[in-house]
Amino acid sequence: AQSVTQLDSQVPVFEEAPVELRCNYSSSVSVYLFWYVQYPNQGLQLLLKYLSGSTLVKGINGFEAEFNKSQTSFHLRKPSVHISDTAEYFCAVSKTSYDKVIFGPGTSLSVIP
Amino acid sequence: GAVVSQHPSWVICKSGTSVKIECRSLDFQATTMFWYRQFPKQSLMLMATSNEGSKATYEQGVEKDKFLINHASLTLSTLTVTSAHPEDSSFYICSAPSTHHFRNSPLHFGNGTRLTVT
Repeated sequence: AQSVTQLDSQVPVFEEAPVELRCNYSSSVSVYLFWYVQYPNQGLQLLLKYLSGSTLVKGINGFEAEFNKSQTSFHLRKPSVHISDTAEYFCAVSKTSYDKVIFGPGTSLSVIP
Repeated sequence: GAVVSQHPSWVICKSGTSVKIECRSLDFQATTMFWYRQFPKQSLMLMATSNEGSKATYEQGVEKDKFLINHASLTLSTLTVTSAHPEDSSFYICSAPSTHHFRNSPLHFGNGTRLTVT
């Protein structure tokens, strides 16, 4: 079975500063990895995904993530955050690219003006 | 625009009544759909996998008789919360996988349904 850990439940960061949201996963098989963002009282939006190929994945809104198989990590980064990035971020894993997705506990990103 | 339509977006019902939530895939067929529940300030927990033309597969701890799932067509799955109680108040989200990565995404989520049971 797969599981996802997001070590930071809350991350406050000043506007225009860089940010990294950490994600680690465990699985006995190869997995596919995702980052989703959820704005207050809204559904989920896919930020980026790793299915195969290059371990550095670029997504929407200036976010990127790096897949590290040896460390079983998939950390999300952005070099300069904006107020509009304030939201809940979920790291997720699945066995195949269209299988059920298992979500991590989430990280609440708060961008401070 | 949305590729998975979920309806209603919010609903308030009285304790003891039943509520039906619809999840439709637009522009692509989905033989499988997934239903999640999200309590405030928490993550999404998978409730069940809806299978077109067959019984749903429920996750451990989810009451099958309380959360009825019907996947009657390749584009529609419904979740019915039967005899709802205040503790069922939550945010319910469906998702549908696209094997052809419709719009470059393997999995599409509905916008969710906010259920409040009074």
